[in-house]
Amino acid sequence: GQNIDQPTEMTATEGAIVQINCTYQTSGFNGLFWYQQHAGEAPTFLSYNVLDGLEEKGRFSSFLSRSKGYSYLLLKELQMKDSASYLCAARPYQKVTFGTGTKLQVIP
Amino acid sequence: EAQVTQNPRYLITVTGKKLTVTCSQNMNHEYMSWYRQDPGLGLRQIYYSMNVEVTDKGDVPEGYKVSRKEKRNFPLILESPSPNQTSLYFCASSARGYEQYFGPGTRLTVT
Repeated sequence: GQNIDQPTEMTATEGAIVQINCTYQTSGFNGLFWYQQHAGEAPTFLSYNVLDGLEEKGRFSSFLSRSKGYSYLLLKELQMKDSASYLCAARPYQKVTFGTGTKLQVIP
Repeated sequence: EAQVTQNPRYLITVTGKKLTVTCSQNMNHEYMSWYRQDPGLGLRQIYYSMNVEVTDKGDVPEGYKVSRKEKRNFPLILESPSPNQTSLYFCASSARGYEQYFGPGTRLTVT
């Protein structure tokens, strides 16, 4: 089966760095995704890791360790607009399984 | 503009009355999928399709049907809706199962 864990809520300060962790257990593995979802809106794609290591995209970076079943999303120079839910999703073969999401609140 | 569209955006219906939620994408994507999102449970995959006439069950397929007769369309059918299918539904598409583009969502209430 599939199981994905991520913290339910986090709070961070504007301008700071925050790391959102995700651990997964899946029966197969074809990649790990991160999505951002603002309240009342659809999820939007942030990053995709299929190999171990760090992928950097501007203020956002994502890391994957397949041997540990672990990923994190790193957000730098936090802005108020980064307040949203961050969804970790694993792709075992062609299915996609999402975690329940981490609600990030950025405070001044 | 590349997009995924869903209709209707909001729907209130009664138990047992068949309904269809349409989903269409204009990006020529092979992969399409339906999810439901419920508080505390996150996004759960209902059905997905790898290409025309190829569909498979996700994690919560009970009570739902899908069809993929054309590449751009992937309707979700509730033959006999029940109150436990009250949820926010998202359709998504992607090229070969990579980053998914989500539609705006359909908020369904079954009374």
